[in-house]
Amino acid sequence: EDQVTQSPEALRLQEGESSSLNCSYTVSGLRGLFWYRQDPGKGPEFLFTLYSAGEEKEKERLKATLTKKESFLHITAPKPEDSATYLCAVQAEEYGNKLVFGAGTILRVKS
Amino acid sequence: NAGVTQTPKFQVLKTGQSMTLQCAQDMNHNSMYWYRQDPGMGLRLIYYSASEGTTDKGEVPNGYNVSRLNKREFSLRLESAAPSQTSVYFCASREGPTSIYEQYFGPGTRLTVT
Repeated sequence: EDQVTQSPEALRLQEGESSSLNCSYTVSGLRGLFWYRQDPGKGPEFLFTLYSAGEEKEKERLKATLTKKESFLHITAPKPEDSATYLCAVQAEEYGNKLVFGAGTILRVKS
Repeated sequence: NAGVTQTPKFQVLKTGQSMTLQCAQDMNHNSMYWYRQDPGMGLRLIYYSASEGTTDKGEVPNGYNVSRLNKREFSLRLESAAPSQTSVYFCASREGPTSIYEQYFGPGTRLTVT
């Protein structure tokens, strides 16, 4: 069973059409949940860290939230430059504090 | 600061050849990591080094070896490359093994084994 599952696998939006990406996890002893953005041909770029349920963080058109079993990355009025793969990863005591990554959501925003 | 750098950017090997992927970071981080990324499978940890002088296996270590040369550098070696090792390899670093700080990634090495 996958410990970190991201959905949907791919998402196509029109410019300005808000939506959310999901990251669900089954680990116990969560210490942190991380969101990254990855552009084609590049390494992942850090966006947010969330530490506890109820926490929210924002950056420009992105807002990340965390519950006890999942995290959402909300994208408000996206622009074509928001097109990328979004990865989430969890750090938990049961994994010796290594990061476990989901497979990612590929986001395409059309103008 | 350059952050995390990796060389080479691209490499094509024939089955059975060996090579070393180089990684260096200039952020004075204690921990360094090697991942591979395959379509639909996300990032999988190959090896990591929690601190200078230590290395440990990750999720997919078979066919690889690593060396933590000093605090800045962490190399990944393929002794006898196989087509299954065709992938994109990323190096990452973080302040410490138990810290809840983000990992910083390099630009990746795209490896093809024929």
